[in-house]
Amino acid sequence: KAGVTQTPRYLIKTRGQQVTLSCSPISGHRSVSWYQQTPGQGLQFLFEYFSETQRNKGNFPGRFSGRQFSNSRSEMNVSTLELGDSALYLCASSGSNTDTQYFGPGTRLTVL
Amino acid sequence: AQSVTQPDIHITVSEGASLELRCNYSYGATPYLFWYVQSPGQGLQLLLKYFSGDTLVQGIKGFEAEFKRSQSSFNLRKPSVHWSDAAEYFCAVGAFNNNNDMRFGAGTRLTVKP
Repeated sequence: KAGVTQTPRYLIKTRGQQVTLSCSPISGHRSVSWYQQTPGQGLQFLFEYFSETQRNKGNFPGRFSGRQFSNSRSEMNVSTLELGDSALYLCASSGSNTDTQYFGPGTRLTVL
Repeated sequence: AQSVTQPDIHITVSEGASLELRCNYSYGATPYLFWYVQSPGQGLQLLLKYFSGDTLVQGIKGFEAEFKRSQSSFNLRKPSVHWSDAAEYFCAVGAFNNNNDMRFGAGTRLTVKP
């Protein structure tokens, strides 16, 4: 089985712009979670989608949003980018509530 | 909500030496526990997991971890470290009540001396 894929792998944006990141889960997995990883804050949970519904949300401002499509692929969007949004954004997929999360390679976002 | 503490930010060991990375969790019910490894600029790779049953769990790359409920710990061990084990290691605890809610520790960076 192919693993979790994330596109693009690298992005450079400027403050005020918006960005969309994409995640394709492992085939058959219906849950997709997103995390932000920074040197200062570590790994922080953003949100989780299951069958096109957001089931869980972390403590991030409304500028961070996401969605999931019927094929379980997920996108996250960050609007009005700030310098502090520079991070590695990781996506993870799992097959069920109690299944292991498998991570993609991440998208490195740099905000200038 | 669940939480994880990894007391050691950075550990250095010599190649061939044994390794133990500490992880303490806080959760009111039976936890689901994981160890992941991350190489620079990469995603997280699952090393091993504990859901129930035998408290000594074997993982990939020769790693093992022991769940100790009385100490709220899930320490990762390896008897002989290889230079390729240099990476960052994350312990995580999951609470799966109708959603996937994973909380990660701050990570332990492992340096391996030749």
